[in-house]
Amino acid sequence: DAGVIQSPRHEVTEMGQEVTLRCKPISGHDYLFWYRQTMMRGLELLIYFNNNVPIDDSGMPEDRFSAKMPNASFSTLKIQPSEPRDSAVYFCASSIGGGHEQFFGPGTRLTVL
Amino acid sequence: AQKVTQAQTEISVVEKEDVTLDCVYETRDTTYYLFWYKQPPSGELVFLIRRNSFDEQNEISGRYSWNFQKSTSSFNFTITASQVVDSAVYFCALLITGTASKLTFGTGTRLQVTL
Repeated sequence: DAGVIQSPRHEVTEMGQEVTLRCKPISGHDYLFWYRQTMMRGLELLIYFNNNVPIDDSGMPEDRFSAKMPNASFSTLKIQPSEPRDSAVYFCASSIGGGHEQFFGPGTRLTVL
Repeated sequence: AQKVTQAQTEISVVEKEDVTLDCVYETRDTTYYLFWYKQPPSGELVFLIRRNSFDEQNEISGRYSWNFQKSTSSFNFTITASQVVDSAVYFCALLITGTASKLTFGTGTRLQVTL
């Protein structure tokens, strides 16, 4: 079975540009999570969905960040406009149920110049 | 609020040594789950183990073992006869069940195993 798929794996962009990160969860998983990893703040949960519905977005840093899950097999995290401090590795994860292990994608390394 | 503390920032051992990674958690909830994840140099996060708060039985999986003690709010991870391939950052995480499904991660312990 394929794991969580993320694209792109690397993204380099300039400040002010729009960035869209994509995620395909494991088939059959009903929870999807977006995390950000930085040296300063470690691993932070940004937002998570249950059955395509956003449940908690309290971790989203600011209005520049938005996430959608139009169907059970696809989610996006968008940053508009991007800033250098958004540079990080963004992980998508999915799970069956809320209390079970989350399986992580390979991450997207974002660099904003 | 929940908190996970991994006091060991970095550990270096020589291959074949045993090593224990410490994890201390804080929560007022009585129902929760604890996890360990491994992040090798390639960057992905690999799930290792999940333990619920009502199961204090220790677990062994090959060279890996976990010691869960509610009395001290600890969930320590031991690697026996370490190998170079064990070199990675290891994260302990806490999940409170109920209305939220947020994983709270510790800051990680970087393990370096040398020949």
